[in-house]
Amino acid sequence: GNSVTQMEGPVTLSEEAFLTINCTYTATGYPSLFWYVQYPGEGLQLLLKATKADDKGSNKGFEATYRKETTSFHLEKGSVQVSDSAVYFCALSQNSGYSTLTFGKGTMLLVSP
Amino acid sequence: DTEVTQTPKHLVMGMTNKKSLKCEQHMGHRAMYWYKQKAKKPPELMFVYSYEKLSINESVPSRFSPECPNSSLLNLHLHALQPEDSALYLCASSHESGNTGELFFGEGSRLTVL
Repeated sequence: GNSVTQMEGPVTLSEEAFLTINCTYTATGYPSLFWYVQYPGEGLQLLLKATKADDKGSNKGFEATYRKETTSFHLEKGSVQVSDSAVYFCALSQNSGYSTLTFGKGTMLLVSP
Repeated sequence: DTEVTQTPKHLVMGMTNKKSLKCEQHMGHRAMYWYKQKAKKPPELMFVYSYEKLSINESVPSRFSPECPNSSLLNLHLHALQPEDSALYLCASSHESGNTGELFFGEGSRLTVL
């Protein structure tokens, strides 16, 4: 079956530090890959996505590249802000009609001033 | 309009109460979902409706009863819940055909069962 593994948290960084959150997946075929973000007390927001190998998703300074050879989709940001403090979920979906997302366990990011 | 709206945002109920959670979207999506999220955990899929028909029920106890009155609305009826059912309940929607898998989530309804 499908699975997503992401690094354990919390990840604690100072403002303007470089961020990497690792994500690897197991799936058959060619899934779509996503990073969702959940701010405290809120629902999930799509941060970025990639639908095929070598695609790079980007949004709000965050980037992730779909690497089929390493089955990875690592999230990066060059300079984090306090407002980036949230829980980040890596997820995949097989492209067939309605979507059933497989989520990783989530990584909490804490950014201090 | 790219929103999924959930009401109420907070709900406290006793184990003998009957209540409902409501979800609405106006993006023309034909697939709608209920997820349950416990603290510090990822969301867990409960139900999927596709074209207003129940397509997936992830072995959810019958005290949770979903309903999809039309393509824009999704309800979750709650009856005789247990304290362990306290959680954040998330509604989501997506396109059906040609779907890249992206789900649009609401803000959630935080349920406390006393």
